[in-house]
Amino acid sequence: KAGVTQTPRYLIKTRGQQVTLSCSPISGHRSVSWYQQTPGQGLQFLFEYFSETQRNKGNFPGRFSGRQFSNSRSEMNVSTLELGDSALYLCASSLWTENPQETQYFGPGTRLLVL
Amino acid sequence: GNSVTQMEGPVTLSEEAFLTINCTYTATGYPSLFWYVQYPGEGLQLLLKATKADDKGSNKGFEATYRKETTSFHLEKGSVQVSDSAVYFCARTVGGGGADGLTFGKGTHLIIQP
Repeated sequence: KAGVTQTPRYLIKTRGQQVTLSCSPISGHRSVSWYQQTPGQGLQFLFEYFSETQRNKGNFPGRFSGRQFSNSRSEMNVSTLELGDSALYLCASSLWTENPQETQYFGPGTRLLVL
Repeated sequence: GNSVTQMEGPVTLSEEAFLTINCTYTATGYPSLFWYVQYPGEGLQLLLKATKADDKGSNKGFEATYRKETTSFHLEKGSVQVSDSAVYFCARTVGGGGADGLTFGKGTHLIIQP
């Protein structure tokens, strides 16, 4: 079974631009979560989607948004990019969000550099 | 709140040494606990997990036991190899479900020297 895939793997943008990252979960997984990883803040939860609905959101500004499609694929968007948005963005999928035993499986990440 | 604290590195050991990476969590709710590993340039890989008190997770020679009385989930391995060099993250679920995401520790950079 294929793992979580993320595209693109690397991205360079300039301040003020916007960016869209894509995530395809493991087949059969309906929950997708997004995380931001930076050297200073570590791994931080962005948001989680299940059945095309955002279930929860971390402590990030409104410039960060996402959506999920009917096939469970998800995209996240960052508008008006800032230098501090440079990070590795990780997507994780799991079968079902209500079961606390469900494990999240991570993709390889998209490394975003904002110049 | 919900937080995870783990020893930060780098931790440098010689091959075949015994490894312990400490991890403690705040005692709110009934979290599941995880160890993830990240190799250079890659995403996170699940190493092991435990879902309730006294559970022991194990994989690839690594072990961790869910200790509710000490709110700990320390990672151990009896004999490390150079290939174990990576960053290790301890994580917990928030509350009783996955919808709130995982809370991670800062990560421990492990370096194994031949």
